[in-house]
Amino acid sequence: QQQVKQSPQSLIVQKGGISIINCAYENTAFDYFPWYQQFPGKGPALLIAIRPDVSEKKEGRFTISFNKSAKQFSLHIMDSQPGDSATYFCAATSYYAGGTSYGKLTFGQGTILTVHP
Amino acid sequence: GAGVSQTPSNKVTEKGKYVELRCDPISGHTALYWYRQSLGQGPEFLIYFQGTGAADDSGLPNDRFFAVRPEGSVSTLKIQRTERGDSAVYLCASSLAWNTEAFFGQGTRLTVV
Repeated sequence: QQQVKQSPQSLIVQKGGISIINCAYENTAFDYFPWYQQFPGKGPALLIAIRPDVSEKKEGRFTISFNKSAKQFSLHIMDSQPGDSATYFCAATSYYAGGTSYGKLTFGQGTILTVHP
Repeated sequence: GAGVSQTPSNKVTEKGKYVELRCDPISGHTALYWYRQSLGQGPEFLIYFQGTGAADDSGLPNDRFFAVRPEGSVSTLKIQRTERGDSAVYLCASSLAWNTEAFFGQGTRLTVV
């Protein structure tokens, strides 16, 4: 019930293209859904996050789309750049379902994004 | 400091040995988390500290793993009788409060040979 499933495992796009990564969750008590970006040898860094009271959130080239009824959310990277090449993780957490903190995150398996110049 | 600092960056140890991994959180952050990231996987939650106390240790895999935060700042993750399966990157994160963004350190890569 705590799983977050992420797809695809890897993604290759051309510079300027759109990158789309999808996640699905099972625990309906999750109420905070962040996306993290991780470069080799570095820790994950928060990219953008959404709460389930909205269906979309946009920050610059990054957009989260959220479908509460389907228990799915996705990350869209517009105008993808070579510098976006990294591993992306979706995550979820809940304060009310036994979680004690928004920092207690359940992560997806990750997507390795490669943007070709 | 400017960010979460973890030492050492890399640790190679022999099977059966004891290891300690250190985390220096961002100054003033009351919440601290430990995660374990195996190769090709997402981080997995281990333990959460609020101040000096472990508020949630449900992710610790067994009693060989223990963590402390005696003064509410620096934390140490301790692993006894290490096994090859313990090899992973151990990540530490901190946040200002329970409901604010968590910032991750660069991790300690532990290799058990």
